[in-house]
Amino acid sequence: QVQLVQSGAEVKKPGASVKVSCKATGYTFTTYGISWVRQAPGQGLEWMGWISVYNGNTNYAQNLQGRVTMTTDTSTSTAYMELRSLRSDDRAVYYCARGRSTSPFDYWGQGTLVTVSS
Amino acid sequence: QSALTQPASVSGSPGQSITISCTGTSSDIGGYYYVSWYQQHPGKAPKLMIYDVSDRPSGVSNRFSGSKSGNTASLTISGLQAEDEADYYCSSYTSSNTLVFGGGTKLTVL
Repeated sequence: QVQLVQSGAEVKKPGASVKVSCKATGYTFTTYGISWVRQAPGQGLEWMGWISVYNGNTNYAQNLQGRVTMTTDTSTSTAYMELRSLRSDDRAVYYCARGRSTSPFDYWGQGTLVTVSS
Repeated sequence: QSALTQPASVSGSPGQSITISCTGTSSDIGGYYYVSWYQQHPGKAPKLMIYDVSDRPSGVSNRFSGSKSGNTASLTISGLQAEDEADYYCSSYTSSNTLVFGGGTKLTVL
């Protein structure tokens, strides 16, 4: 069955970077895009962007341009999301999901809590 | 891109029907059929309930249905059950080739 398994919780200092992984199993990794969505405590969902696993093309939310990079490793069926220059308002649960901006997110990872604190 | 507009909360009694609205613009909901709805229980990842405005993924109850009129999409849940109590989010593709979510609606089953 399709599963997306994310890396564990992270605690980072302001200004640092975090890299979250998302390992996909149960389907052909290159045939679907991977999107990233975050959710601040008690808040709604925020789309961060997506990556085409097939060709590596990316599309990021405008408010994260320059701070976020999404990549994939097809040899291990793993997607990565790196966020740099972390601020306190980046504290959130980060989800990966199978899908792209024009397709539904039909499978989700379990979420990774990123805490930013000095 | 501003978030789509959803009511903060809705409620209904078991067995009743409720509808959650999701209002956008002609640059998102009004312009495309890429509207999805997600259910999220506390502490859990979102679950896809409706996609492409009105299609249901395999395994999702037919008590859930979706529609769209102009710039507003709607999710209707009929025959409310206690397990339907959750947060619901709409999403839409946009003319900027991005995706936008609604602010979320908390459904309370009385």
